[in-house]
Amino acid sequence: DQQVKQNSPSLSVQEGRISILNCDYTNSMFDYFLWYKKYPAEGPTFLISISSIKDKNEDGRFTVFLNKSAKHLSLHIVPSQPGDSAVYFCAASDTYAGGTSYGKLTFGQGTILTVHP
Amino acid sequence: DVKVTQSSRYLVKRTGEKVFLECVQDMDHENMFWYRQDPGLGLRLIYFSYDVKMKEKGDIPEGYSVSREKKERFSLILESASTNQTSMYLCASSFAGSGQPQHFGDGTRLSIL
Repeated sequence: DQQVKQNSPSLSVQEGRISILNCDYTNSMFDYFLWYKKYPAEGPTFLISISSIKDKNEDGRFTVFLNKSAKHLSLHIVPSQPGDSAVYFCAASDTYAGGTSYGKLTFGQGTILTVHP
Repeated sequence: DVKVTQSSRYLVKRTGEKVFLECVQDMDHENMFWYRQDPGLGLRLIYFSYDVKMKEKGDIPEGYSVSREKKERFSLILESASTNQTSMYLCASSFAGSGQPQHFGDGTRLSIL
């Protein structure tokens, strides 16, 4: 049962354009959503997060949008740069699952973003 | 800057061997996690620990165990390695609480022959 899904395995974008990465989830108890970037042979790096009480969070070129009614979030990168080429994972946290606050994350399968010069 | 260090970048072991993967973090994080990453499956949680000597099963704990004797160190143990445990293993740590991001090591590429 995949609670967090990234349905696009890959995305190709021209430098300077917008990249939009999508993520869907099924668990309405998720209270935080995070995006990570991963280069080959490195561990994932935290990019940006959003609380479930918000619908938008912005950090420089990165903006995350949350649509709770649709159980959908997206990461926008504007403008896209060749250095943004990486695998992007969305993740969700149900902080109080089982009465605990361990902060476990459930990850999607990842989307490979390629930004062409 | 948070540093999560995994003891080996690449490891080759034989079927049936007992394998130890070590992870150390330097940020006094309460939580530590072990994941494996496989193509098309994303990151799947094997085990996590929220305090010294405490551990909880993740989504795929079968064939694995963990040890956390000190706050900064979290070990993953493959009791009797099998070929289906060939994978990229990632360790992470975080503070406890809502929305705390996890910080990852660079991973160990483990091959079981």
